[in-house]
Amino acid sequence: SQTIHQWPATLVQPVGSPLSLECTVEGTSNPNLYWYRQAAGRGLQLLFYSVGIGQISSEVPQNLSASRPQDRQFILSSKKLLLSDSGFYLCAWRATVEGPEAFFGQGTRLTVV
Amino acid sequence: SQQGEEDPQALSIQEGENATMNCSYKTSINNLQWYRQNSGRGLVHLILIRSNEREKHSGRLRVTLDTSKKSSSLLITASRAADTASYFCATNSGGSNYKLTFGKGTLLTVNP
Repeated sequence: SQTIHQWPATLVQPVGSPLSLECTVEGTSNPNLYWYRQAAGRGLQLLFYSVGIGQISSEVPQNLSASRPQDRQFILSSKKLLLSDSGFYLCAWRATVEGPEAFFGQGTRLTVV
Repeated sequence: SQQGEEDPQALSIQEGENATMNCSYKTSINNLQWYRQNSGRGLVHLILIRSNEREKHSGRLRVTLDTSKKSSSLLITASRAADTASYFCATNSGGSNYKLTFGKGTLLTVNP
């Protein structure tokens, strides 16, 4: 069966520090991968999605970047965090080619102080 | 940008009552999905309805879709305290089957 791992669960980082959040998927090949951010009490904002290794689509220009160095690995990064980067970050995957259902990781609560 | 918009933003009911949440979207879709999120957790897929379907059932869930009005509703019957969560609709947007965008969600509270 397929599983998705996202870590860490919580993270407190000072302003100006770098960020690296990792997401890995097991049990499937060539998944579509997604990074979302959720502000407190709000909906999900799509940040990046990837349909293959090295293929990243950015939805919102901002202080973050994403990379997909391996088929089932998706990394969210920042060189210098801002206070506004605080939020709940969620990784998700879908099967290739119109796989409708998305499967989510448990999320990372990032607080920038 | 938000493709789906749920209403109400918050809904509080008593256990045993039915809960209805609505979702409106802007562009044509292949399917519409509903997800549930418990506080501080990831989202869990509940049900999918395709654009050529008008109604779908799964256990205590009933979803309707009106493509002419670009709207969907999620009905939870005989609600339980454990149904307390946020509920989101999701669609593929921008003509892409890869982008999955969510609304702002409805926070459902079921009081015991």
